[in-house]
Amino acid sequence: DAGITQSPRHKVTETGTPVTLRCHQTENHRYMYWYRQDPGHGLRLIHYSYGVKDTDKGEVSDGYSVSRSKTEDFLLTLESATSSQTSVYFCAISESDVGGGTDTQYFGPGTRLTVL
Amino acid sequence: SQQGEEDPQALSIQEGENATMNCSYKTSINNLQWYRQNSGRGLVHLILIRSNEREKHSGRLRVTLDTSKKSSSLLITASRAADTASYFCAIGGATNKLIFGTGTLLAVQP
Repeated sequence: DAGITQSPRHKVTETGTPVTLRCHQTENHRYMYWYRQDPGHGLRLIHYSYGVKDTDKGEVSDGYSVSRSKTEDFLLTLESATSSQTSVYFCAISESDVGGGTDTQYFGPGTRLTVL
Repeated sequence: SQQGEEDPQALSIQEGENATMNCSYKTSINNLQWYRQNSGRGLVHLILIRSNEREKHSGRLRVTLDTSKKSSSLLITASRAADTASYFCAIGGATNKLIFGTGTLLAVQP
């Protein structure tokens, strides 16, 4: 398995509180991604990073921010959690874009977040 | 949307049978990828097929790609109970982002 860890693995929080999820990789891959997975929606991209301090929005970025100050760490922050952000969050990494287009992605184990 | 759409949404077969699931998409692609997800786990990459390829094999897996029909299929031969999982196609376009479909839930009965 690719060296990807996510922390915490489970979290229960209350509406309005800030939450930060951490993704850590030991592969030195350039690209890192945050997805959320909800029933009936598959995986949806929240934000991604193509290098240290280089990030961009995905399909469902509202209410989320990210930071990447080191190659190995990619943080996802919910500034003020809402019940609609209850979900399973996955981090993924990718080495490069191969000949244009997306390379294989390797996924972390996920974080189950419940917002009450 | 470039999102892949899998068909069927759910599939139940007996051990030893073949399982086929399909993915359709709407725009041009650079590559198409298939992933597996066991319950409660992260996704695991299975196969990547590029737009200029028509067929690819990996063990008991066979993937085909028909760019004229904008569709792909994943065939799992001689299925096992351990193949029970959700299977997702993911569309790789000209960017470094993947667009995932909603998945096919495969149940292999022992």
